[in-house]
Amino acid sequence: DAGVIQSPRHEVTEMGQEVTLRCKPISGHNSLFWYRQTMMRGLELLIYFNNNVPIDDSGMPEDRFSAKMPNASFSTLKIQPSEPRDSAVYFCASSEGQLYEAFFGQGTRLTVV
Amino acid sequence: EDKVVQSPLSLVVHEGDTVTLNCSYEVTNFRSLLWYKQEKKAPTFLFMLTSSGIEKKSGRLSSILDKKELSSILNITATQTGDSAIYLCAVPSGTYKYIFGTGTRLKVLA
Repeated sequence: DAGVIQSPRHEVTEMGQEVTLRCKPISGHNSLFWYRQTMMRGLELLIYFNNNVPIDDSGMPEDRFSAKMPNASFSTLKIQPSEPRDSAVYFCASSEGQLYEAFFGQGTRLTVV
Repeated sequence: EDKVVQSPLSLVVHEGDTVTLNCSYEVTNFRSLLWYKQEKKAPTFLFMLTSSGIEKKSGRLSSILDKKELSSILNITATQTGDSAIYLCAVPSGTYKYIFGTGTRLKVLA
């Protein structure tokens, strides 16, 4: 397996624009996580899915953020409208479930100017 | 609220030194503790420590879980410049999610 695949790797956008980040988890993994990493706050869990169903989205900072998982092999994280404070590295991770390690994608570095 | 605290926040050593990184946790229904290494991009998995196994070792890296003190340490002996990275500690919280500490940034000088 190629591991968790995220796209794009880098995204630079202007404030107010819509941003969509994409993730393909490892085949067979039933848990998917979206994390945001900044120097100040470290790795923050935004939302996680189990069997394609959002379980906990309490980490999503605002209504500007939304995430979907239409099937077991694809998830998106959307920010609309984007703001400069959204600039961070966004990671997607997947796991086989509790008591199993999470595998991370290479991340998307988002810069909002 | 479940949380993970790591120390020190950063560390600079010379090649050949031994380092000890710390992770303390507060979590309801502890099940496991995970260590990750993050170099340039994605965190990569190092160890998982569970209630049934309190020590793991891989080459120059080893980790011990102290359930009494609600903590874990990650030891790296004979450090190399390639060990320079952010080391992250995580614990499962609730049913599925993982809580991460802010990490320890290790810099190994040649």
